[in-house]
Amino acid sequence: QSVLTQPPSVSGAPGQRVTISCTGSSSNIGAGYDVHWYQQLPGTAPKLLIYGNSNRPSGVPDRFSGSKSGTSASLAITGLQAEDEADYYCQSYDSSLSALFGGGTKLTVL
Amino acid sequence: QITLKESGPTLVKPTQTLTLTCTFSGFSLSTSGVGVGWIRQPPGKALEWLALIYWDDDKRYSPSLKSRLTITKDTSKNQVVLTMTNMDPVDTATYYCAHRRVAAAGYYFDYWGQGTLVTVSS
Repeated sequence: QSVLTQPPSVSGAPGQRVTISCTGSSSNIGAGYDVHWYQQLPGTAPKLLIYGNSNRPSGVPDRFSGSKSGTSASLAITGLQAEDEADYYCQSYDSSLSALFGGGTKLTVL
Repeated sequence: QITLKESGPTLVKPTQTLTLTCTFSGFSLSTSGVGVGWIRQPPGKALEWLALIYWDDDKRYSPSLKSRLTITKDTSKNQVVLTMTNMDPVDTATYYCAHRRVAAAGYYFDYWGQGTLVTVSS
């Protein structure tokens, strides 16, 4: 059981908008720690998608955006494309000085 | 350009000790603020953070695995080594090393190795 809770799966048609939530607690996200997001394409290593709640690394399309409020964070993907089909993980930090990952969300493009 | 690559055995027997090496380039673990972490992923399951070592040799471990883990660094060789004792079949996973980047509050992993699959079986 991951400390950060994500929906196991989400889906959307090409061109649509989907969101993935990441819910923590007062000892991690709610304590003010940043949330980061990773995209993992099948058979590959995770790739940083969003850092510091809402920042995109160079090369990440602006179709991907992140936000954080209270003890939760969200990843939004607009203009869904077939190539976005992947697993998505949120990550934060805990007052016990541990990195935390969410349970992952599988995005299916219909 | 930062790169990392994991190496080690692909198969270990139950109760054995696993030793994995992360060889990196493009940064130095003697530079202030730098860190390297280990993360694993059992087949079909989620990512799990294991350990982190800092430039100043400070170390952090997952509370649930702390008694079994040791992380060390060899700055001259640009390597980080993770050992995990008393391996069990549930430890079967792909093990990743990654470069840690400081965030405004906390940190994240901006560069990852390709991962190495370790199977625990007799």
